[in-house]
Amino acid sequence: DAMVIQNPRYQVTQFGKPVTLSCSQTLNHNVMYWYQQKSSQAPKLLFHYYDKDFNNEADTPDNFQSRRPNTSFCFLDIRSPGLGDAAMYLCATKGPRGTDTQYFGPGTRLTVL
Amino acid sequence: GQNIDQPTEMTATEGAIVQINCTYQTSGFNGLFWYQQHAGEAPTFLSYNVLDGLEEKGRFSSFLSRSKGYSYLLLKELQMKDSASYLCAVRDDYGQNFVFGPGTRLSVLP
Repeated sequence: DAMVIQNPRYQVTQFGKPVTLSCSQTLNHNVMYWYQQKSSQAPKLLFHYYDKDFNNEADTPDNFQSRRPNTSFCFLDIRSPGLGDAAMYLCATKGPRGTDTQYFGPGTRLTVL
Repeated sequence: GQNIDQPTEMTATEGAIVQINCTYQTSGFNGLFWYQQHAGEAPTFLSYNVLDGLEEKGRFSSFLSRSKGYSYLLLKELQMKDSASYLCAVRDDYGQNFVFGPGTRLSVLP
């Protein structure tokens, strides 16, 4: 049973054309994360939500925005994608306890033409 | 600052044992995690240490020394399907943020 779902799995957009990636979860976890992972690199945290509290990493570009309308869904909006934004975008969730691990979705691979 | 180091690549033979090291220097610490990531797929959780010592889970074991800022993942009886990247991640004091190392790409040869 899928627990963290990301759609689409592959997304192609044009330089400068806004794109939205989506993530949903059936775990009822209160923490949700968005990571950017480029080839052969570590996942880089963009931001996370603790319930509705939004936490932005200091070095996340303004070009990246996020929305969490409810517990189950979280969206990543890239307002004006550049060629350097081509990457795998991973969504992850975590339960409320400090000891919980993260659960990752399958990722969305973004291509910018 | 946050700094996590792992070897970039390792190669081992099917049936052998391999140890993947991870050293970390982070401003906070509330646990160290190991994830496995196959090419083009999401990371999956393997192991977790918050206290010093060895945690064993089947063919996988993980060790932590907090005073040395050091962990290793031990894989026994290697199988071809173990060829993947192995990511070390440190969780911060509040238990919400995870900082990932660059990953170690393991190739298992027949």
